Amino acid sequence: QSALTQPPSASGSPGQSVTISCTGTSSDVGDYNFVSWYQQHPGKAPKLMIYEVSKRPSGVPDRFSGSKSGNTASLTVSGLQAEDEADYYCSSYVGSNNVVFGGGTKLTVL
Amino acid sequence: QVQLQESGPGLVKPSGTLSLTCAVSGGSISSSNWWNRVRHNNWWNWVRQPPGKGLEWIGEIYHNGSTNYNPSLKSRVTISVDKSKNQFSLKLTSVTAADTAVYYCARWDAQTDAFDIWGQGTMVAVSS
Repeated sequence: QSALTQPPSASGSPGQSVTISCTGTSSDVGDYNFVSWYQQHPGKAPKLMIYEVSKRPSGVPDRFSGSKSGNTASLTVSGLQAEDEADYYCSSYVGSNNVVFGGGTKLTVL
Repeated sequence: QVQLQESGPGLVKPSGTLSLTCAVSGGSISSSNWWNRVRHNNWWNWVRQPPGKGLEWIGEIYHNGSTNYNPSLKSRVTISVDKSKNQFSLKLTSVTAADTAVYYCARWDAQTDAFDIWGQGTMVAVSS
């Protein structure tokens, strides 16, 4: 199983919106709605931000949203804030009880 | 509130075996809850992150001992569970410098089909 493809970096100014893509194949992202997104600050454990493509766990601001089209999932952060600066990882269930992560995207708030 | 805590040696010699344990508190590793989902119950996972790199799924275990492993690591990985101690463990054999990483334990939640709870992580270096 290959890692999902994410851009290595993304950036935006405070208040702006930024979208991070996560591209897989018809065997993972395209075949399942079990795409999740994680936020990781330096030296910290990942935190679940989005599950099942577009659902937010309790406590996650509604500035974070997810979507999917074909083999590509996306995470959009609206109204960027300084604390949103972090690494973001996508993940997908790939069937046969296997899971794969994306390579990660470093989000910089300018 | 379920919490996870990793423990184990921070240094392992090349060709040796990496052994880590994840203690589960605030809930039972043998939860009897069952959800009408693709995966009906929670699974207990190991995920690692080499310095400066991304996350890699290692494998998982169900409270009855059933396991699933990343195909790329399967020949070297064993995950086991000790229900009496409410913990699960990772063994990775024949380690090399490429296995140097922060190792996280995490819960795959059947209700969200995602890793909803993570341990703080433990750094393991492979070096002589």
